Amino acid sequence: GENVEQHPSTLSVQEGDSAVIKCTYSDSASNYFPWYKQELGKRPQLIIDIRSNVGEKKDQRIAVTLNKTAKHFSLHITETQPEDSAVYFCAASMNSGYSTLTFGKGTMLLVSP
Amino acid sequence: SQTIHQWPATLVQPVGSPLSLECTVEGTSNPNLYWYRQAAGRGLQLLFYSVGIGQISSEVPQNLSASRPQDRQFILSSKKLLLSDSGFYLCAWSALRATEAFFGQGTRLTVV
Repeated sequence: GENVEQHPSTLSVQEGDSAVIKCTYSDSASNYFPWYKQELGKRPQLIIDIRSNVGEKKDQRIAVTLNKTAKHFSLHITETQPEDSAVYFCAASMNSGYSTLTFGKGTMLLVSP
Repeated sequence: SQTIHQWPATLVQPVGSPLSLECTVEGTSNPNLYWYRQAAGRGLQLLFYSVGIGQISSEVPQNLSASRPQDRQFILSSKKLLLSDSGFYLCAWSALRATEAFFGQGTRLTVV
């Protein structure tokens, strides 16, 4: 089955800096890669996703890149703000009509004012 | 718009007691439904998914079971809880033939 590795497990940055979280996956058949943000005690929220026919996708301050050959994808957050502090999860699945996601273990991002 | 309801929000149960967690989705038909578990400080693990009424697929062997008695209702059950069943249980849905998945508020289960 699919295995998703995520690094780093914790990331501390100063407000205004950029943050990068990286994930690798094992199953070359995976073609859908979402990122979720989870604040303490709350549900994971989908913030951005990318499909394997696209190399990069951007939404305001967040962007995701995908290298299908190397089987890794990354989340980039620019101009970080304290409200970006949360746990971020990457995931992978095959687009087979439903969404059985395999998640990474998460990255706790701390943005200091 | 679509909404997902999950209850209860928190639950404390003794070892050996039964469990029933319920999830319902509004505003869509024929959703795909999922149960995930998140252990403390860990990622999310898929437990069950369902693509239709009465259709349940299990991803990991365990002490839990799932049922889908109605199109937009998904239930997670156990006959006898174990300490290791403690965790944050999240129901999720995705639209028919879509991959974007959206989570409910979650149930924090503590087995004592």
